[in-house]
Amino acid sequence: DQQVKQNSPSLSVQEGRISILNCDYTNSMFDYFLWYKKYPAEGPTFLISISSIKDKNEDGRFTVFLNKSAKHLSLHIVPSQPGDSAVYFCAASSYSGNTPLVFGKGTRLSVIA
Amino acid sequence: DTEVTQTPKHLVMGMTNKKSLKCEQHMGHRAMYWYKQKAKKPPELMFVYSYEKLSINESVPSRFSPECPNSSLLNLHLHALQPEDSALYLCASSQEGGNRVGGNTIYFGEGSWLTVV
Repeated sequence: DQQVKQNSPSLSVQEGRISILNCDYTNSMFDYFLWYKKYPAEGPTFLISISSIKDKNEDGRFTVFLNKSAKHLSLHIVPSQPGDSAVYFCAASSYSGNTPLVFGKGTRLSVIA
Repeated sequence: DTEVTQTPKHLVMGMTNKKSLKCEQHMGHRAMYWYKQKAKKPPELMFVYSYEKLSINESVPSRFSPECPNSSLLNLHLHALQPEDSALYLCASSQEGGNRVGGNTIYFGEGSWLTVV
């Protein structure tokens, strides 16, 4: 049973436009959510996180939105740059749990110049 | 500084070889992890060490043997691997361990590419 779902395997966006990557989760115990970016042949890099007490967290061009009632989060990248082309993984866990992050299957973002 | 360093970056080994992957972090993190990642898949958890003790083993075959010599180091000993074990092996760490592993940001190393021939 997939607890974290990224239903879009890939996304193409033009440079300068907004990229929106989506993630859904099923486990209502999850209260900490993260996004990782991964280039080929490298380990995942932590990008941004959000805890369930917030509905938005912003860091530069990256904003994560959390809709707890819908069990949905999204990552917005504005403006998108060619260097943002990578695979983005959504991950979730519970502060009160002793198990680490559960990852989604990833979305490959291609930013076209 | 959120650096996790892994060596070697690339490793080719035969099915009868014994080799080790090494990982180091100097952030004072209390939990360290081994993940395996295949192409187009998310990282798959193998082991978690919390306060230098093995706390999670995700039913990993015994041909993979983890070791945590101290709070900064984590090794993965490899023996009698199969070609299907070829993958990117990722070491990671997080600030908290024990029953506070959840709710932690996990920081990954660059990975060790393993090819079993």
